[in-house]
Amino acid sequence: DTAVSQTPKYLVTQMGNDKSIKCEQNLGHDTMYWYKQDSKKFLKIMFSYNNKELIINETVPNRFSPKSPDKAHLNLHINSLELGDSAVYFCASSQAVDSNQPQHFGDGTRLSIL
Amino acid sequence: EDQVTQSPEALRLQEGESSSLNCSYTVSGLRGLFWYRQDPGKGPEFLFTLYSAGEEKEKERLKATLTKKESFLHITAPKPEDSATYLCAADRDDKIIFGKGTRLHILP
Repeated sequence: DTAVSQTPKYLVTQMGNDKSIKCEQNLGHDTMYWYKQDSKKFLKIMFSYNNKELIINETVPNRFSPKSPDKAHLNLHINSLELGDSAVYFCASSQAVDSNQPQHFGDGTRLSIL
Repeated sequence: EDQVTQSPEALRLQEGESSSLNCSYTVSGLRGLFWYRQDPGKGPEFLFTLYSAGEEKEKERLKATLTKKESFLHITAPKPEDSATYLCAADRDDKIIFGKGTRLHILP
C-alpha cells in the first residue's frame, strides 16, 4: 500500500491554465508538505501544514494555493501557470512538525508547461 | 544563511570500490541530519537520521556518520543497485533544508 500518494503523476498543460495536484497520506501523520524539485534536482520546500493549519510558506507566488481539507490530504492548486513552474512537485508527510522525524515522500508530479 | 552543501555532485565507481559522500552544513538550531536515497522518477526514500556528533548508523553497505560541521555517507563494496542520488537534509526547528544531492553510479 502506498503511504504517500499524489495524482496525477504527469501533467502537461498550456501556459495560463489553472491546475491542481492532489496528495493523500495513510500514515496517520499530522504534518504534510509540498516541495518543488527543479531541473537541477534541487529540492526546496514550498509549504507545510500541521493538522490542516498552514505553518510554512516559503515566499511562493500567491498563484500557488495549498488546501488541506483534513490532515490526511494536502492539495496544491496553481493559477495562471507560467513556464518557470515546470518542475517535479513532491508531497511529503511526517509525524509532527516538531518531532524531528523523517519525512515520507510521494513519487512526484512532473508538471510541464507548454 | 543556513545551507547544506553536498560533494561531489556526481561519482562513478566500479562495483566493489568503496567511497564516501560528503554533506557539510551550516544550520542554526540543528535538530537532526537526514540521509535519503532518490531513484529516477521516484520520491526520496528515507535512509538514516543522525542526531548528535559522533553518532553512526549502518544499513547493509551504507554507514552514515556525523560531526559538528559535516556528515559522511560511506558506501562499502557497492553494487550496481546502489546507483541513485543521495540527498542529505538538515532538520532545523521549523523546516528541513536539503542539499543538491550526489548522483552515484556504480559500474558492473
